[in-house]
Amino acid sequence: DAGVIQSPRHEVTEMGQEVTLRCKPISGHNSLFWYRQTMMRGLELLIYFNNNVPIDDSGMPEDRFSAKMPNASFSTLKIQPSEPRDSAVYFCASRELGLAEETQYFGPGTRLLVL
Amino acid sequence: KQEVTQIPAALSVPEGENLVLNCSFTDSAIYNLQWFRQDPGKGLTSLLLIQSSQREQTSGRLNASLDKSSGRSTLYIAASQPGDSATYLCAAPAGGTSYGKLTFGQGTILTVHP
Repeated sequence: DAGVIQSPRHEVTEMGQEVTLRCKPISGHNSLFWYRQTMMRGLELLIYFNNNVPIDDSGMPEDRFSAKMPNASFSTLKIQPSEPRDSAVYFCASRELGLAEETQYFGPGTRLLVL
Repeated sequence: KQEVTQIPAALSVPEGENLVLNCSFTDSAIYNLQWFRQDPGKGLTSLLLIQSSQREQTSGRLNASLDKSSGRSTLYIAASQPGDSATYLCAAPAGGTSYGKLTFGQGTILTVHP
């Protein structure tokens, strides 16, 4: 399996622009997570989906952030409008739902810089 | 709300040393605890997952222990090598019914020098 795939790997944009991050989970995994990592705050969970349904979005910082999972093989995280404080590495992870012994598998991340 | 703390924040050791990384968590009602490794510029890789019914897990030179009653876990690395240099993160379930939701510690940055 190719693992969790994220695109783009790097994104540089200007403040106020819309940013869309994409994720393809591992085939067969039905739980998907979006994380943000910064030096100051570490790794934070933004939102997660089970069977394409958002379960917990309490980590989404504000209304500028939105996430969708239209099907089992694709998810997007959108920031509109972007701000310099959104600069971070955004990770997507997936796992098989319902297995306590199953870990999460992380993608390589998208490094976002908002100027 | 689950809180995870890792000590030390950074560790530098000569090659060959045995070392211990510490993790503490506030909500002991967990069903497992995980240790991850992160190399610079990369995603996280799972190292060990300890079920709540287990006290430890081993993989090669790595051994992780779990003491739910005290809210602690340790990762033991034997005969450290330069290739072990990375950031090590501990993660515990967020608690309650948030199945699968993890809370991560800030990590321990490990440097093993030749």
